[in-house]
Formats: sequence, C-alpha cells, structure tokens
Amino acid sequence: AQRVTQPEKLLSVFKGAPVELKCNYSYSGSPELFWYVQYSRQRLQLLLRHISRESIKGFTADLNKGETSFHLKKPFAQEEDSAMYYCALRSDTGNQFYFGTGTSLTVIP
Amino acid sequence: DGGITQSPKYLFRKEGQNVTLSCEQNLNHDAMYWYRQDPGQGLRLIYYSQIVNDFQKGDIAEGYSVSREKKESFPLTVTSAQKNPTAFYLCASSIFVRKNEKLFFGSGTQLSVL
Repeated sequence: AQRVTQPEKLLSVFKGAPVELKCNYSYSGSPELFWYVQYSRQRLQLLLRHISRESIKGFTADLNKGETSFHLKKPFAQEEDSAMYYCALRSDTGNQFYFGTGTSLTVIP
Repeated sequence: DGGITQSPKYLFRKEGQNVTLSCEQNLNHDAMYWYRQDPGQGLRLIYYSQIVNDFQKGDIAEGYSVSREKKESFPLTVTSAQKNPTAFYLCASSIFVRKNEKLFFGSGTQLSVL
C-alpha cells in the first residue's frame, strides 16, 4: 500500500523565518513525489515535483529515498505563503495519486 | 478560466436521495479522478478513470458510482448508500501515460445533507 504522511496539521512561523513542511512516504516502487498548494479561495494546484528539481516561489523539496522523505523548505517565509500544503505520491504501476492529510501553514506578519 | 469545470458549487441532498456531481474537462486528458476532502483527512480517492468506458475504485468507493461515457465528462453520483456524504468533492484530470504529469483540479462542489 502507498502511504503519504504529513505529521503536522498546523504550522505557524514568523515572516522571514525558515519553514519546513514534513512529508514521509511508504512505497515499494519508484515514487513520483509532488507538493500541491491551496491558497484561500483558489483551486488546488501543483507547487513543485521532485523530478524537476526546481524552486518555485522560493520553495524547494529534495527526495530522500533513504529516509523516504520529501520535505518542503523555504529559507524565508512570506505572508503570501499562508496556505494549505499537500504532499502527494503517484504510483508507477498506474495512474493513481495519493495525498497526505495536508499541513496548514500560517505566516505571522 | 477553462480547463476543468465542476458544478454545482453547492449541493444539498435529502435523506434517501441520489445526487450527481458534474465534472467536465476540455484539456483532452485521458485520466480523471474524484476525491473527497474532509477536514483533517486530506484528499481521499473515490474513483478514477484512465480511459473512456473504464473506471476503477479508489480507497472510499462505497456509496458512490461513476460513469465515463465521454472523454471530457466524469460525473459522480452520491447514492443513498453513502451515509456520511457531507464533504467537499474535488474532480481532477491528468494526461495519462506520461510520467510526472500533474493533476489539474476543479474548483470543487460542497455537498451537504438536509
């Protein structure tokens, strides 16, 4: 079974402080990992994917296969980063996406 | 704002009633999905379809049914067998086959029981 775990339901940081949203996964094959974000009153949308090794809005995430983690990081949080963040895993045997329970990030001015 | 459209935005169901949530996409995507979003539980997969006239159960398919008669449409019916239907329902689509293709989401339907 595939499982995605986000241990923090709520996370608050001050503006300018570093932020890390944790994601661990359990998967027997070669996972494809994603971070999705849902800003207030907007649709859920892709933030970044591990294969691209990209930085989006200052966020990065590294896939650590040894620790089975895909934590999302940003060195300096901004107020506009306040949102709901979901870690997701796509199976390599089919076209299924599995989501974690989400972390609600609040950046305090 | 095209792409994937869900309707209605709000829906109310009476006891014993079946209701159908609409999902349409004009992205020419092969794969479509239905998720249920509950507070504190994230997104849980109800059904998904990789191709027309074919669909598969997700983790919480009981009490739901779907059809995929057209590539662009993937309606979800919440039947009377679903005892706790109040939730936010999200439809999504993606290009099938290609690795690391992202999901495109609709704006959701909030279903409540009267």
